[in-house]
Amino acid sequence: DAGVTQSPTHLIKTRGQQVTLRCSPKSGHDTVSWYQQALGQGPQFIFQYYEEEERQRGNFPDRFSGHQFPNYSSELNVNALLLGDSALYLCASSSESRYGYTFGSGTRLTVV
Amino acid sequence: DQQVKQNSPSLSVQEGRISILNCDYTNSMFDYFLWYKKYPAEGPTFLISISSIKDKNEDGRFTVFLNKSAKHLSLHIVPSQPGDSAVYFCAASEGQAGTALIFGKGTTLSVSS
Repeated sequence: DAGVTQSPTHLIKTRGQQVTLRCSPKSGHDTVSWYQQALGQGPQFIFQYYEEEERQRGNFPDRFSGHQFPNYSSELNVNALLLGDSALYLCASSSESRYGYTFGSGTRLTVV
Repeated sequence: DQQVKQNSPSLSVQEGRISILNCDYTNSMFDYFLWYKKYPAEGPTFLISISSIKDKNEDGRFTVFLNKSAKHLSLHIVPSQPGDSAVYFCAASEGQAGTALIFGKGTTLSVSS
């Protein structure tokens, strides 16, 4: 049973560019949340998608946007990249019927 | 305005002894608490959780204690093993499924043999 799959694993982008990160949830999960983990910090909640809608959002600017597809997979888009966006981006999936989050291994984004 | 605080960045323990990791929170609306373990190059892995209606939850070598009046929880690992060496994150949420997890900054546990 595959867990949460994220792609790519590593990415280097230039300041001002745009990036798309992808996440496939664990089988049986219908909710996807995205977190940003900066060096030396804990994961910070970006937003959560359920039924293809953004249900909850953390304190992140509009440059961060997302999408959820009918198969429950999700994308995180970041526009106008800043050096401060360099971080590990984690996807977590969960089920509405049972509490619990499963995290992927993350995408390491470096902005130069 | 950090809502979940782990004030000890690191902890070193000898194999076989007890490891105690601490976490404080400020939001009285939190009613579910979790501990995650994270190895380098991997995502956080769920360890153990506790609901606010309980004050203790055990799972093998891991026990979590919750003191709601003090807004404090702790994770006890007994006995500690070298494989327990990792970063441990405390997280909290308001409500059950579908709510965001708020994480602390983590505590790096090193268990020496």
